[in-house]
Amino acid sequence: DVKVTQSSRYLVKRTGEKVFLECVQDMDHENMFWYRQDPGLGLRLIYFSYDVKMKEKGDIPEGYSVSREKKERFSLILESASTNQTSMYLCASSSGGSGGNEQFFGPGTRLTVL
Amino acid sequence: RKEVEQDPGPFNVPEGATVAFNCTYSNSASQSFFWYRQDCRKEPKLLMSVYSSGNEDGRFTAQLNRASQYISLLIRDSKLSDSATYLCVVNTPLGNQFYFGTGTSLTVIP
Repeated sequence: DVKVTQSSRYLVKRTGEKVFLECVQDMDHENMFWYRQDPGLGLRLIYFSYDVKMKEKGDIPEGYSVSREKKERFSLILESASTNQTSMYLCASSSGGSGGNEQFFGPGTRLTVL
Repeated sequence: RKEVEQDPGPFNVPEGATVAFNCTYSNSASQSFFWYRQDCRKEPKLLMSVYSSGNEDGRFTAQLNRASQYISLLIRDSKLSDSATYLCVVNTPLGNQFYFGTGTSLTVIP
């Protein structure tokens, strides 16, 4: 079974803090994704990566950065957390160069920024 | 215009009912289509892929209409365990991106 794990289920941070969200997958998938999910807006893509050290902006990259130093690990960084970044963050991975394969999601990190 | 649009519902149906969800997509070059299921406070999980010829998996049937750019999900003989949010997902050929609908909420009532 594919397993995608995220470093925290719940996180509370203060405005201005630097926040790291870690994601690890164990199936040697090429593609990894970070989304945020908000009521009424669905899942929105922040960044994705199709290879080590590669990254592509999604639809809402502002205020975020990512790092993929190893194939199995994809980190999301909030350089200076703001209250409008309070959300559920979901990491996903998929195999294949075309990206048209099933995505497997981690359990999510519910981040609250005070 | 959103890449993917679907009726948020909620749909409240009795056990045994048949219910259908539709989803429209804006990019005619889209190549892959999926339905995901998301339970409350859980991550989305793949329910089924949607193929051009339509496909069935037990009580679930998925259809794709490329001309009208919509996909549908039909659930027959609804069970209480079908209560969840159903997400329509479209993959474009450019940049490995997946676009998610906002989800349709289904509650099956005893």
